[in-house]
Order: sequence, then C-alpha cells, then structure tokens
Amino acid sequence: QVQLVQSGAEEKKPGSSVKVSCKASGGTFNTYTFAWVRQAPGQGLEWMGRFIPGFGPANYAQKFQGRVTFTADEFTGTAYMELSSLRLDDTAVYYCATDWWETYYYYMDVWGKGTTVTVS
Amino acid sequence: QSVLTQPPSVSAAPGQKVTVSCSGSASNIGNKFIAWYQHVPGTAPKLLIYDNNKRPSGIPDRFSGSRSGTSATLHITGLQTGDEANYYCGTWDNSLTSGVFGGGTKLTVL
Repeated sequence: QVQLVQSGAEEKKPGSSVKVSCKASGGTFNTYTFAWVRQAPGQGLEWMGRFIPGFGPANYAQKFQGRVTFTADEFTGTAYMELSSLRLDDTAVYYCATDWWETYYYYMDVWGKGTTVTVS
Repeated sequence: QSVLTQPPSVSAAPGQKVTVSCSGSASNIGNKFIAWYQHVPGTAPKLLIYDNNKRPSGIPDRFSGSRSGTSATLHITGLQTGDEANYYCGTWDNSLTSGVFGGGTKLTVL
C-alpha cells in the first residue's frame, strides 16, 4: 500500500509563501489522486482541495482559490501544495492524502503524518 | 461553521457503546456516501468507515456506520480507552463541488 511522507515543519512570515511536499512510496504514483486537508490549532479538519497529477486543473476549495496551488513531479512521485500570501490564521498542520471520488462516494484513505506550518 | 453537523463531544464507559451523529443536506449526505475518520491529535487521521458502512482492512468490526436520508451515524461498541480520539464525518458536497467535513466529535472513554 502507498505511504505518504511529508516535508518537515516550516516557520514563515506573514505575506510569504510555503510549499509542502508529499512523497508517495510503495505504489504507482500516476494511479493516485491527492487531497490536501489542514487543521488549525483547536479547530477541525478543513478540506483545501484535490487534484489528479497530470490530468487537468485542480479542484480548490473556494476559501483558498487564488492562494493555493497543487502540483506534482511524477518522476519523483511527489505532490506539492503551495500556499501564498500567508496570514497568521494559516498556522496549521497540513495533511496530504490519497482520495477516491466517484459519483456516489468520496473519501480519503491514506494520509501523511502532517506538516506543521507556523506563520508569525 | 462546518457544512456537516456533529455533536462536540460524547462519552461512555469502557465496554459500552456510543454513537456519533452527522447531519447534512441533500447536496452532501443525501446524495453521497459518508466516510468517518478517527484522529488522535499529533497523528495522521485514519479512515474508519467509507461508503456509509464499509471498513478498510484492519479496522475492527466494533466500528460500524449507517446512513438515513441526510444523516449518518458512527457506531462504536466495546469501547476501549484507545478509542479516545476525535471523530469526523466527511463526504462530497455537490453544490459546493468540494469535500466537506463535520466539525468533529471528541470521544472520551470514562
């Protein structure tokens, strides 16, 4: 089964950008689709969007439209999430996950351990 | 404010059973299967239930799910102290064209 290994913690200044990586191992990268989810301190899980590497534009949650970009490097099997114009309330743990979407279902089955991004 | 509504907390004694509710609308639970996730702070969330009532490999049958109309329920029997975690329901919302979660329910095993 695939395992997702995320990059280490980041500390950023307001207004800057952060790029979090998510390396997939143990599977065939181009068979996966990816979602990004975050959890701010004391808050619940928040869906940021999903994308299919090499297959059209990503689907971003309205809240993050214009500020977030999902990309992937199929050669290294790594997915990326870049969030720009960082604000204090972007401080959160950011998770990548493989997801499954069909007409009648949607879920995320394999999760990375999370990357802590602190904006201060 | 989360699209899906869950109670903030539930509690029960070891060995007992507990249910966690998740309320939505026709654009999400009413048209899409629900999933449930277990999240212990500081660790990766874990998929517990998908397609309303299916368990991934390795999830004990003490965990089960059901759906009726625009609501869903997570059932946990034979509670163990290791079940203490936050539980989230999640699905897709056709109106928002996005994934959505409930606000999470903190389970305390007394």
